[in-house]
Amino acid sequence: SYVLTQPPSVSVVPGKTARVTCGGDNIESKTVHWYQQKPGQAPVLVIYYDSDRPSGIPERFSGSNSGNTATLTISRVEAGDEADYYCQVWDSSSDHVFGTGTKVTVL
Amino acid sequence: EVQLVESGGGLVQPGRSLRLSCAASGFAFDEYAMHWVRQAPGKGLEWVSSITWNSGRVAYADSVKGRFTISRDNPKNSLFLQMNSLRIEDTALYYCVKNHEMATETDAFDFWGQGTMVTVSP
Repeated sequence: SYVLTQPPSVSVVPGKTARVTCGGDNIESKTVHWYQQKPGQAPVLVIYYDSDRPSGIPERFSGSNSGNTATLTISRVEAGDEADYYCQVWDSSSDHVFGTGTKVTVL
Repeated sequence: EVQLVESGGGLVQPGRSLRLSCAASGFAFDEYAMHWVRQAPGKGLEWVSSITWNSGRVAYADSVKGRFTISRDNPKNSLFLQMNSLRIEDTALYYCVKNHEMATETDAFDFWGQGTMVTVSP
């Protein structure tokens, strides 16, 4: 089965840049999606097709995908960005797969 | 406005059954694949099952295969998950989720309901 690995936590100072990685075997051959989940709330799609933003998602959120790592980048981090973030792909043998999740803490 | 409202969760004993429902509105339900995703308390997201727009293809996570059945009623804009032989490890918040693009079930999940809690306990 296909496995996506994320760091358990990332800490960032307000105004700086946070990078959340998602590791998978040859992940660049897949399209990666990212979700933000705040406590007690349902997940929200923040990036799809590696780097596209749904309407309403700030430009501060961006994504990239190369080699064995996809990255979600949050620029000019705000307190309201504190949340859990999950990557997700579709794999022909595993169907939909979520990453292990990363808690982003704004210091 | 897209709305997905789940119902049917509750407390059930191991080995028993439960049927979840999801009422959809605000989009052309019969043109999109739909999914169920669950989240155990304090844990990450786990994909459970998917169904194409016309029910032509269904898929299940290995953890629920043979026990859960996904279905839909397009005229009634409704999605279902029949859960049999429930186990303690099925305890989770179950989300009804809409596929991002039409004509595929392998895409991103663009709208999520608020979830319905299923607790399996003796």
